[in-house]
Amino acid sequence: DAGVIQSPRHEVTEMGQEVTLRCKPISGHNSLFWYRQTMMRGLELLIYFNNNVPIDDSGMPEDRFSAKMPNASFSTLKIQPSEPRDSAVYFCASSLLPPGRHTEAFFGQGTRLTVV
Amino acid sequence: KQEVTQIPAALSVPEGENLVLNCSFTDSAIYNLQWFRQDPGKGLTSLLLIQSSQREQTSGRLNASLDKSSGRSTLYIAASQPGDSATYLCAEGSSNTGKLIFGQGTTLQVKP
Repeated sequence: DAGVIQSPRHEVTEMGQEVTLRCKPISGHNSLFWYRQTMMRGLELLIYFNNNVPIDDSGMPEDRFSAKMPNASFSTLKIQPSEPRDSAVYFCASSLLPPGRHTEAFFGQGTRLTVV
Repeated sequence: KQEVTQIPAALSVPEGENLVLNCSFTDSAIYNLQWFRQDPGKGLTSLLLIQSSQREQTSGRLNASLDKSSGRSTLYIAASQPGDSATYLCAEGSSNTGKLIFGQGTTLQVKP
C-alpha cells in the first residue's frame, strides 16, 4: 500500500477563495482523522470519521470548515471562504478501529496551505 | 477533557548520550499511546505503539513505557545520534471518545 495520500502537497490561495484538501486513506482502514498543525497550537484534531460517518467534529474551528467522506477511500476538507489565519499544514491520518479500540495511526505527508 | 502534555519543549544533548522524553495524559480511559517522529517540513512517522494492557515497547535504540496509574509515558533513546534530531510527539488514543490527541512535542537536537 502507498500509505495515506494527500493532495495537493502545497496550496496558495487568495483570501475569500474556496479551498479543498483531499485524502485517500490506507486500504482497509475504517477511521480517518483530519488535523491542523501550526507553530502556536501544535497538532489539533479537527474531525474524525469511523466507517465513513463523522463521529466528532468538535475541533472544526468555524462553519467555514466542512469535511466529507463519501466512501471508504476518499475524504475532503473544505474551507469556504478561506482566511489568512487558516494558513497551516493540514494532515490526514487513518487507522483500523474495531469498536472501542485504536490501532496504529498512519499519517499522510500533509498539505501546506497558505492564504494570502 | 482529554489533554496531553510533553516536557520539555526542547532538548539539546551531545551525541552518545541516553535521554528520556516525557508525556503525560489526563484521560483515564486510554486505549493506547503512540510515539511519532516529525522531521522539519515533513509528515509524522510512527515509532512505537503501546496498548493500554502493555507496560513497554522496544524498537532498536528506542524504548517506550506506559504507566496508566500515573498518566505518564516515556520515550527512552539510547546512545543518541545526530540523525535522531527531530520533533517527537506522543498521542493518546481514548477508548471513550475514539479521539487521537497529541501533545505539543519535544524538539530534540543531538550535537555531533
